[in-house]
Amino acid sequence: EDKVVQSPLSLVVHEGDTVTLNCSYEVTNFRSLLWYKQEKKAPTFLFMLTSSGIEKKSGRLSSILDKKELFSILNITATQTGDSAIYLCAVSVSGYALNFGKGTSLLVTP
Amino acid sequence: EAQVTQNPRYLITVTGKKLTVTCSQNMNHEYMSWYRQDPGLGLRQIYYSMNVEVTDKGDVPEGYKVSRKEKRNFPLILESPSPNQTSLYFCASSLVRYASGTEAFFGQGTRLTVV
Repeated sequence: EDKVVQSPLSLVVHEGDTVTLNCSYEVTNFRSLLWYKQEKKAPTFLFMLTSSGIEKKSGRLSSILDKKELFSILNITATQTGDSAIYLCAVSVSGYALNFGKGTSLLVTP
Repeated sequence: EAQVTQNPRYLITVTGKKLTVTCSQNMNHEYMSWYRQDPGLGLRQIYYSMNVEVTDKGDVPEGYKVSRKEKRNFPLILESPSPNQTSLYFCASSLVRYASGTEAFFGQGTRLTVV
């Protein structure tokens, strides 16, 4: 059975801290790993990773995939209160369907 | 603007009264799916559709129906809603890319309460 596990489930940090969110997976026919940010509404796309070791970066957010050890991390540097959200990791095994982890709830306090 | 549109955004209904949540996308995506999101359980897929007239069950299909008569629309039907279907529902669509996988675009969500 395909499995996507995110850790931690919940995290509280102070503004300015750096956080690392983890996503490990056990799936057959891996195609890609995706990160989404969910505030009080729909998940919004952050990154899609298909190759090991290549960092994707957008502002203060970055992510990397390790296909040998079957995990990905999402880093957020100099966190702001606007980074407070649920971060979802999903793995595509078919080219269309996504298997989601349970998410990491991040709260950034002033 | 590329988008997935769900309606209604909020719905409170009574047990047993049939309801439909509509979903429409304007990106000509082949693949559409419905998820429900519950605290501690994450996003779970209810049904999906690969294309017109092609639908299949996801992980939690019991109590739901779908149809895909047109490429852009994928309504979710609850024939006889029950309180355990109280949840936040998302429709999503994406292209089909077998080699690399693809990004899913989500609707704004429908918060359903069944009393």
